[in-house]
Amino acid sequence: GDSVTQMEGPVTLSEEAFLTINCTYTATGYPSLFWYVQYPGEGLQLLLKATKADDKGSNKGFEATYRKETTSFHLEKGSVQVSDSAVYFCALKPGAGSYQLTFGKGTKLSVIP
Amino acid sequence: GAGVSQTPSNKVTEKGKYVELRCDPISGHTALYWYRQSLGQGPEFLIYFQGTGAADDSGLPNDRFFAVRPEGSVSTLKIQRTERGDSAVYLCASSSGQGAYDEQFFGPGTRLTVL
Repeated sequence: GDSVTQMEGPVTLSEEAFLTINCTYTATGYPSLFWYVQYPGEGLQLLLKATKADDKGSNKGFEATYRKETTSFHLEKGSVQVSDSAVYFCALKPGAGSYQLTFGKGTKLSVIP
Repeated sequence: GAGVSQTPSNKVTEKGKYVELRCDPISGHTALYWYRQSLGQGPEFLIYFQGTGAADDSGLPNDRFFAVRPEGSVSTLKIQRTERGDSAVYLCASSSGQGAYDEQFFGPGTRLTVL
């Protein structure tokens, strides 16, 4: 079945450091890919998405590129802030019109001043 | 506008008891989803409603779990004869139900603890 694997956390970075959180997936067909973020005490929020190969999703300085050849969707940010401290989840939906999200285990990021 | 709301935010119950968890979706959203998030894991799909009907309940772990959405808006997840392994955060999400890539909006979750 479909699955998502993301790097184990927790990750601790200093403010203004570069962030990469790795995510790889296994799916049949052509899934849509997502990054969700969960800030402390809040619900899951969509951070960015990509619906086809080579698409780049971006939001709030975060970027991820849908790489079909490596089945990856790594999350990056050039300069993290303390306010980026949260748990990040990589997820996929199997294809257009599908609805069931499959999530990775999540990566907790802590940014220290 | 208001987002997805879930009540209660926390529920503590004893093994063997019955519990109901409520979800109020975003007004006008026809699609509603339940997920379960165990400690240290990502959310796992339980059930999907389109309107009043359960379009896919393949994620429900066993027949102790049941969900309804009688008027196509509010949904209730019902768990009978709770077990300690049911302890988790239960998440509800809703979406417009239209378009190939409609976004799911999540509620804050209900944390269920079974003693």
